[in-house]
Amino acid sequence: GAGVSQSPRYKVAKRGRDVALRCDSISGHVTLYWYRQTLGQGSEVLTYSQSDAQRDKSGRPSGRFSAERPERSVSTLKIQRTEQGDSAVYLCASSPNRDSEAFFGQGTRLTVV
Amino acid sequence: DAKTTQPNSMESNEEEPVHLPCNHSTISGTDYIHWYRQLPSQGPEYVIHGLTSNVNNRMASLAIAEDRKSSTLILHRATLRDAAVYYCTTGANSKLTFGKGITLSVRP
Repeated sequence: GAGVSQSPRYKVAKRGRDVALRCDSISGHVTLYWYRQTLGQGSEVLTYSQSDAQRDKSGRPSGRFSAERPERSVSTLKIQRTEQGDSAVYLCASSPNRDSEAFFGQGTRLTVV
Repeated sequence: DAKTTQPNSMESNEEEPVHLPCNHSTISGTDYIHWYRQLPSQGPEYVIHGLTSNVNNRMASLAIAEDRKSSTLILHRATLRDAAVYYCTTGANSKLTFGKGITLSVRP
């Protein structure tokens, strides 16, 4: 069956511009997560939501990050005023509930120039 | 969040068992222990998770120390496709953080 899909796979953005990254999660999964992964530093969770159409603003590392969930299986991670330090792979994952295994997408590699 | 420590790398021969250790000395009583692995240019893939008892699935076994301060992921017969970065992490999915993981190399 279809897994978690992310688009685009690669994104180049000019510093200061806003970007939006899309995630299509697995149908029926309740919990959805966004992670940021940098080379040699591991991954950190940016935001997660556990309900339909929730706008979550966990905002790590700052309020520039937010996620919207217009449909149960679709989420958009928005990064405002991108900085060069935002260059990373952004991973989306979903799970049936918060204690089940998480299924990850292939990620979007964002490069801020 | 409980911090985990893993060796940076490990090598194994094909078709031999592999034991990947992880220390999580500050784990809380309700935190699960999760293992994921990641191949280049792919997202992490779930391997196994457990709470207190040892766990087995088709991919691997998870041996959890009695005090839960450490665990070992066991691949019973390593294949070349098992070469990946393996992450040990603890806590609920909502707080999963992956460190640098352990890079497993498998020699043919």
